Amino acid sequence: AQSVTQLGSHVSVSEGALVLLRCNYSSSVPPYLFWYVQYPNQGLQLLLKYTSAATLVKGINGFEAEFKKSETSFHLTKPSAHMSDAAEYFCAVSANNDMRFGAGTRLTVKP
Amino acid sequence: GAGVSQSPSNKVTEKGKDVELRCDPISGHTALYWYRQSLGQGLEFLIYFQGNSAPDKSGLPSDRFSAERTGGSVSTLTIQRTQQEDSAVYLCASSLITGMNTEAFFGQGTRLTVV
Repeated sequence: AQSVTQLGSHVSVSEGALVLLRCNYSSSVPPYLFWYVQYPNQGLQLLLKYTSAATLVKGINGFEAEFKKSETSFHLTKPSAHMSDAAEYFCAVSANNDMRFGAGTRLTVKP
Repeated sequence: GAGVSQSPSNKVTEKGKDVELRCDPISGHTALYWYRQSLGQGLEFLIYFQGNSAPDKSGLPSDRFSAERTGGSVSTLTIQRTQQEDSAVYLCASSLITGMNTEAFFGQGTRLTVV
C-alpha cells in the first residue's frame, strides 16, 4: 500500500518566519495528496489537496504545497507564521481508493 | 447526516472490559477508515472498508481489536479485554470515492480511557 513519511515530528518557528513541513510519499500509481490540520481540541480538517490539476496547490490560511514527482514530495509551506497556525499537521496520500496518513508534525509558533 | 458521527464521545472503562465504538459515516460514502491517535502521537491506521470489498485489517494492533461495517454504512470497532495502552482517541473517517473526490471527512473521535 502507499505510505507517507513526515520528516520531523515537531517543528518550531518564530512568528513571521517561514513555515516548512516536509512530506514524502510512496505510491505505485499516480497519487492524490492532502494536508490536514488539527487545531488544539478540534477534529481534523482539510487544509489543501493535490489532484493532478496543478502542481502548486493553495489552501486555507495562506498555506500552499507543491507536488514534485521527481522528489516524491508534497511539502507544506507558509511564508509568514502566525500564532494561530500552531497545530498538528498531517500529510496523506490516496491511491487506488485507499488513503493513508503520515504520523503528523506538531507546529509550535513562538512569539 | 451532515457529517461523520462517532459515539460515544468519551468512554472510561476498566481494564479487561470490552468496549464498542460506533461510527456513522456520511451518507453515500463508500470508504470508511478507523484511526487511533494516542497522546502526543500521530495517526495510526487501524482498518479500512471500501464498498463490498474485504476490509484491509493490516493496521489492527492485536487480535483483541476487530471491526465490522454493516450494510455498507455504520461501523463498529470492538476492543476486547481492554488494556491501559489502548487509551487513545479513536477517529473514524469516510470518503466518497469518485475520481478526484477522495477527500476524507473525520468525525470528532471517541476518547477512550482505560483505568
